[in-house]
Amino acid sequence: AIQMTQSPSSLSASVGDRVTITCRASQGIRNDLGWYQQKPGKAPRLLIYATSTLQSGVPLRFSGSGSGTDFTLTISSLQPEDFATYYCLQDYSYPYTFGQGTKLEI
Amino acid sequence: QVQLVQSGAEVKKPGASVKVSCKASGFTFTTYVFHWVRQAPGQRLECMGWINAGTGITKYSPEFQGRVSITRDTSASTIYMELSGLRSEDTAVYYCARDVFSSSYNWFDSWGQGTLVTVSS
Repeated sequence: AIQMTQSPSSLSASVGDRVTITCRASQGIRNDLGWYQQKPGKAPRLLIYATSTLQSGVPLRFSGSGSGTDFTLTISSLQPEDFATYYCLQDYSYPYTFGQGTKLEI
Repeated sequence: QVQLVQSGAEVKKPGASVKVSCKASGFTFTTYVFHWVRQAPGQRLECMGWINAGTGITKYSPEFQGRVSITRDTSASTIYMELSGLRSEDTAVYYCARDVFSSSYNWFDSWGQGTLVTVSS
């Protein structure tokens, strides 16, 4: 299975900060990568698919980039509701695999 | 609106089986693929398998092959995940998710609320 490695595992930031989370695949996955946000006790929520396409209803402060093996999620100006755990997911090859998560804390 | 509603929490003994359901509404059930994803405490999310609700075709992760069975009931717009040979490491929240496929990309756009399965003697 393709391994997905996220960094950092945790991140402390403040409201208004710009943050970047990275995800590296153990082999090339084209642009078949999505980003999900999860809050405690809740199901994951889709933010971005196909590396850089924003899901409907997701604020424009979220953006994604990358290709091949290296990908990033950027939040341009953190809002209080953005403090959560973020996961990347490769959907290039089954079993699809998630990164280990990045916990974004105040 | 699109909804996936899962069955309630379960407590099972080691060696037993559990069957979790996921009822879909608000869209045409048979035109989608559905996945089961689990999350053990403090662990990353794991894909277990998927089912094409229209054809019934399934595919399972090698990690769960032989222990998991995913089925569907088109008349009830419901998918099921049965996991057998339960062990303590199977204690997790189990999610169903709808897979959208478009322009050669796919993504999980809707999720159930999750079902906690606890395996304990």
